[in-house]
Amino acid sequence: EIVLTQSPGTLSLSPGERATLSCRASQSVSSSYLAWYQQKPGQAPRLLIYGASSRATGIPDRFSGSGSGTDFTLTISRLEPEDFAVYYCQQYGSSPPPFGGGTKVEIK
Amino acid sequence: EVQLVESGGGLVQPGGSLRLSCAASGFTFSSYEMNWVRQAPGKGLEWVSYISSSGSTIYYADSVKGRFTISRDNAKNSLYLQMNSLRAEDTAVYYCASGLDRGLGSFDYWGQGTLVTVSS
Repeated sequence: EIVLTQSPGTLSLSPGERATLSCRASQSVSSSYLAWYQQKPGQAPRLLIYGASSRATGIPDRFSGSGSGTDFTLTISRLEPEDFAVYYCQQYGSSPPPFGGGTKVEIK
Repeated sequence: EVQLVESGGGLVQPGGSLRLSCAASGFTFSSYEMNWVRQAPGKGLEWVSYISSSGSTIYYADSVKGRFTISRDNAKNSLYLQMNSLRAEDTAVYYCASGLDRGLGSFDYWGQGTLVTVSS
């Protein structure tokens, strides 16, 4: 069973800055079956990235995903006020499909 | 517009049962695989269960195996989660989430969730 470890736990940044979020898997993730989700307080999660690097429908191009094997990254090129939220990575394609513990991006 | 609306949550005593429902609209439900994901208060996301578009393939998290049963009715565009022998640690917001049937693919659409509280 794959375990996903996200770092850092909290990222304190200002609007306009670049955010780099890490997700490390305990085993290699097959076929880059890695997704990223955004969750704002009181809301359901929203799919941002699937297949490690493909943006979901309607997701702005300031969000990008990269990586393969065991190391994956979500980058937000320039933080907008609406981007401050919690971000989760998830491995899918086999059961169980675990989530990482999340990274909170907060306003500095 | 894709819509997933959960219902059936509430307060239940330890050892009790609850049945959650998820009503789907705006897409061809019978072509989508479905999942239940939960989130305990102040905690992260935990996958609970998966069912394929036809209902022929089902998976459960170890934490709920033997206590929870996932099912779907494609004629009614509905997903269900029968929860038995509930424990305090099952307290969470339960979300249904869907994706095109790719064999446990990413969770493309999410409902707003329903809160289950297990307490005496």
